[in-house]
Amino acid sequence: EPEVTQTPSHQVTQMGQEVILRCVPISNHLYFYWYRQILGQKVEFLVSFYNNEISEKSEIFDDQFSVERPDGSNFTLKIRSTKLEDSAMYFCASTSSGTEAFFGQGTRLTVV
Amino acid sequence: SQQGEEDPQALSIQEGENATMNCSYKTSINNLQWYRQNSGRGLVHLILIRSNEREKHSGRLRVTLDTSKKSSSLLITASRAADTASYFCATGVTGNQFYFGTGTSLTVIP
Repeated sequence: EPEVTQTPSHQVTQMGQEVILRCVPISNHLYFYWYRQILGQKVEFLVSFYNNEISEKSEIFDDQFSVERPDGSNFTLKIRSTKLEDSAMYFCASTSSGTEAFFGQGTRLTVV
Repeated sequence: SQQGEEDPQALSIQEGENATMNCSYKTSINNLQWYRQNSGRGLVHLILIRSNEREKHSGRLRVTLDTSKKSSSLLITASRAADTASYFCATGVTGNQFYFGTGTSLTVIP
């Protein structure tokens, strides 16, 4: 069964460092998303991506964040200068139009 | 906020009982999805119901949607200890965006 894969599963980084979280969406999907979940809290929308550009972003997704689809398979989330409050589980998802979204297992980001 | 809200926030039942969770939302939707999350793990898609559907079944799951009340319910019948998890509704709106509710934490006691 096709699945969304995310790497790494856990990333520890120093405050102020840049991190790149990687995702491989399901190959025939067109819409890609990043969500985050701070421990014990709700799942928050960060950004959606379609046709090689951001289609929507939340207030959380400020200038420190960026997304890229550098080739036909990878979808990345970059945080330029990490802060302690960026510590969370980051989920990537993909979907075809109007169908269920498939999520990866997440990357646990710990900023120290 | 476009996010839904689940009710109750936490639910504890005995194995074999039915569990009902509700989701309310604010905006018009294209579809509504229910997800499950085991502690510290990823989100697993359970079921999708479109805005023109009123009820859908999948195994022990039954989902209803009332667009006039902007609410949905997820019923898990004959619950098992393995059903212990958090359950989220996600509302699909225009442009293929979807937003998660606050979640219901379900504990099924063996």
